[in-house]
Order: sequence, then structure tokens, then C-alpha cells
Amino acid sequence: ILNVEQSPQSLHVQEGDSTNFTCSFPSSNFYALHWYRWETAKSPEALFVMTLNGDEKKKGRISATLNTKEGYSYLYIKGSQPEDSATYLCAFHSGGGADGLTFGKGTHLIIQP
Amino acid sequence: DVKVTQSSRYLVKRTGEKVFLECVQDMDHENMFWYRQDPGLGLRLIYFSYDVKMKEKGDIPEGYSVSREKKERFSLILESASTNQTSMYLCASSRTGVRNQPQHFGDGTRLSIL
Repeated sequence: ILNVEQSPQSLHVQEGDSTNFTCSFPSSNFYALHWYRWETAKSPEALFVMTLNGDEKKKGRISATLNTKEGYSYLYIKGSQPEDSATYLCAFHSGGGADGLTFGKGTHLIIQP
Repeated sequence: DVKVTQSSRYLVKRTGEKVFLECVQDMDHENMFWYRQDPGLGLRLIYFSYDVKMKEKGDIPEGYSVSREKKERFSLILESASTNQTSMYLCASSRTGVRNQPQHFGDGTRLSIL
């Protein structure tokens, strides 16, 4: 079973502050790295799918970077808002892509007004 | 928008019962997946299917089976439910052959086995 680690496990951030968290994954047999946001009582929502080493993706105040050679990805949130409170999941997609994702345990983010 | 619909949000069953969890997607996706979510463990893959009548075991298939008779529908079956199968179950779908495609998830079924 592949090992995908996310840190920190949980994070409390003041509204308006910026924050970031980490996903580490195996550096071999890489196909893609996914980030999802999962709000309580909703379904996980895709943020980014990253496929190339050095990829940087941005969606509003959220951005992500990817280093496949060393096996890590960072997710950044700029100017946190209460609606950013959620669990952020990263998932490693290995091999040829014809199989499921291996998820980390998530980073639970709470934005305090 | 892609819609993945799971048949129940909450379900309570008894030990030993045969339980069916249903999932339907409306975007003609080839791939469908079943995961379970347990506190402190993250999402874990149970089974997936990349075509009608095809199925592959994920990381934790024991105690489960699946059925994919039509492209849009993927069923998870608990042959004889046990209390350790109490969990949140999530279905997902995705398009095959496109590397940057995300998976699209349903709202989940919270299953309790008494």
C-alpha cells in the first residue's frame, strides 16, 4: 500500500492570514497528484490535478506546487476566509492511471474570525 | 455539471444482512470507484471498475463485492454486514485516458451496522 502523508493534521488560522500545508508521496511511478476540498456534509470537490514536475496551479486565493522528484506538493491559501474551513485532501495517482487514488488523511483547516 | 448520486445519505442495517449501496453517474464516465472514510484513516479504496462488467480490487476489498452491469451504475455489496463495516462510503467517477481528470464524488452514505 502506497504511503501518502499530509501535515499538519489540523490547523487553526486567523481570518485574513495566509497558510500552507504539505503532502508527501512516493517519488516513483508518478502519474498525477490531486487536491480536494471536503466541507462538512458535502462531497469532496476537486481543486487541482497536477501532472508535471514544477507545476504550479492557482484558483482564486488557493494555489499549489508540485515536486515529483522529491515527492511533495504544497497547498497555499492566501488571506484565509471562514468559507475556507474544510478538510483538504491530497491523493496520489500512480502507474498508468487506470486505478484508484491513494489518499492522505487530510489537513483539517479551521479559520477563526 | 457532473452528478454522482448515491442512493442513501444514511442507512442503518443489522449484522449479517446483505446490504446494497448504489451509485449512479450521469457523465458517461468509464471509471467508477468505491471508497470508505473512517476517522483518522483517510479515504481508502475498496473496489473500482474501468468498464461495464469489469472490476478490480482496491486496498481493502475483504467483505465487499461490486457489480457494474450498466456504465452509469456501480453497486457496492456487503455480503454479510458486520459492525466493522460501519463507515462513510463514497462513490466517485472519472473519465479514462485523460491524465489531468479529477474524480467526481457523491455526497456519501453513512452506514451503521448494529
